[in-house]
Amino acid sequence: RKEVEQDPGPFNVPEGATVAFNCTYSNSASQSFFWYRQDCRKEPKLLMSVYSSGNEDGRFTAQLNRASQYISLLIRDSKLSDSATYLCVVNRRSNTGKLIFGQGTTLQVKP
Amino acid sequence: DVKVTQSSRYLVKRTGEKVFLECVQDMDHENMFWYRQDPGLGLRLIYFSYDVKMKEKGDIPEGYSVSREKKERFSLILESASTNQTSMYLCASSFYRDRGQNFGAGTRLSVL
Repeated sequence: RKEVEQDPGPFNVPEGATVAFNCTYSNSASQSFFWYRQDCRKEPKLLMSVYSSGNEDGRFTAQLNRASQYISLLIRDSKLSDSATYLCVVNRRSNTGKLIFGQGTTLQVKP
Repeated sequence: DVKVTQSSRYLVKRTGEKVFLECVQDMDHENMFWYRQDPGLGLRLIYFSYDVKMKEKGDIPEGYSVSREKKERFSLILESASTNQTSMYLCASSFYRDRGQNFGAGTRLSVL
């Protein structure tokens, strides 16, 4: 079983749609959680950290469910520019900086 | 904004060559990391460093070594390049170990 699992997609949605990605992780000792965005042939960029209480940044909402060990990302009012691969990332152990990356979920927003 | 600069965007090397990939960050981060990214395998951690002259193995250190002589610079060394080391190499840095990491633009290495 992979340490971080994501549905690779692709998710094809029209502009303005709401889309949600889920991610599961296997290590219950993980303490830090992130969503990164990666455009084609570019480096990953931090989209947002994920906190236990859930957090929102504009059209993006991240949720963490520690009991079920999954993380979600909700994108509202999708834009063409949201088309990218979204990477779910967790740390393997607290305070190590050793991040485990999911393989990513590809989103394609169509006009 | 943190800037993580990798010395080359593209490199082509021959099997058996010694290859140096350089990474420099400008935000006084203590933590630096080297990853490789391959289709279907995602990003995998090769080596990391929490301080000058300090290094730790990641998940796939075989065939690689690193050097951190100065805080801002973290070098990845392929002692004798092989074709299975053809990949995208990404350097990252962070201030806190438990926070997100900032990535360089990557070096696409081809070993022929």
